[in-house]
Parts: sequence; C-alpha cells; structure tokens
Amino acid sequence: EAGVTQSPTHLIKTRGQQATLRCSPISGHTSVYWYQQALGLGLQFLLWYDEGEERNRGNFPPRFSGRQFPNYSSELNVNALELEDSALYLCASSWAWGLAGEETQYFGPGTRLLVL
Amino acid sequence: AQKITQTQPGMFVQEKEAVTLDCTYDTSDQSYGLFWYKQPSSGEMIFLIYQGSYDEQNATEGRYSLNFQKARKSANLVISASQLGDSAMYFCAMREVLGDFGNEKLTFGTGTRLTIIP
Repeated sequence: EAGVTQSPTHLIKTRGQQATLRCSPISGHTSVYWYQQALGLGLQFLLWYDEGEERNRGNFPPRFSGRQFPNYSSELNVNALELEDSALYLCASSWAWGLAGEETQYFGPGTRLLVL
Repeated sequence: AQKITQTQPGMFVQEKEAVTLDCTYDTSDQSYGLFWYKQPSSGEMIFLIYQGSYDEQNATEGRYSLNFQKARKSANLVISASQLGDSAMYFCAMREVLGDFGNEKLTFGTGTRLTIIP
C-alpha cells in the first residue's frame, strides 16, 4: 500500500513569490493535514481538510491557504513568500472517523521550501 | 490548550542498551490520544506507537513500548535493545479533539535527538 506522497521534494523561491505544495493521502484516507517545521523548531499545525472542506487552521496568516480535491489530494499555497517561510512542510493523512487508534496520522516525506 | 513537554533535548545511548524518552502532557480533555513519531535526518515522520487515554494496558509495538502513567500525565517511550538505526529525532504528540470530529490536529513536543553509540 502506497504511503503519503508529496511533491516537489525541494522548492526554491524568492521573496514575494507564490509556492504550491502537493500531497496525496493514503488510499482510503479522507483527512489531510499540513504542518510546518521551521529549522530548530517543532511541528506547527497549519491546516486540516476533510471531505473537501477546511475543518481547522492553526495560527498562520491568511496567505497560507489550500484546498482538497474530490480524490482527497490536497495542495498548500503560500502567497507573498517571506524569508521565514523557509521550512519543511509535512503533509499527513488519516481516517477522520474511526475506532481508537485508527485516527493515527501518517506523514509524507515533506517538501523543503527555501525562500531567498 | 494542550501542551506537550519533552525535557531531554539530546541523549546518547550505547548500542543494545534500553533507552527511555520522557514526555509529559497537559490537557483538560477526558479523551485523548498520545503518539510517538521518529524523524530521521531525511525528514519523514515515522509513526511508532499510539496510546489511548482509556487504554488500561501500556501499548507495545515490537521494540517500542509506551510507559503510560495517566495520573502523572506522562507517556514515556521505551526502546529496548537500541540499534544504530534508532538514531533520530523523536517527537511525542497528542491528539486534540474538538467538536464533533474525532481527529483535528496533533500538538507536538519539541523533540529529543537520540544518538546511538556503537
């Protein structure tokens, strides 16, 4: 069974540009989560999508946005890039509903975004 | 708001020894889930083990076990017979449940960098 996939693996942008990151969940998972891991910092929750809708978002400005497609894949868009947006962006997927333990989030390999 | 505390920024352990990574949490929820993830230098977060707040027995997965002490709000990860491949960052995380949905986000600790010495 294929795991969570993310593309691209690396992305280099300049300040002010826009970045688009993509994520495909594990087959059968309907929920997709995005996290940011800046250098030296822990993981910060960005966004949660389920059944095509945004269910929750973390403390990030509106220039961080995304969407979930009918096939449950998702993309994260970061507009007006700033230097501090440089980070590893991790996508995870899970069942939204399930028995205890089935809500485990499984992560992809991440996209390393560098803003110059 | 939930909080996860990992007090060991780094640990060095001799190969084949057991190691305990500490994790304490703070929550007012009655129902919650605790997770441990491993992050090698490649960056991917690898799920290791899960403990539900109502589980009476400590979770085990191969060489990994979770020492769950609910009254003390601790969920320490124990790795038995450590191997060189265990060298990585280890994160403790807690599932926050809000509203009608069972799974919204994970709150992570700051992690412990484990280095296994040959």
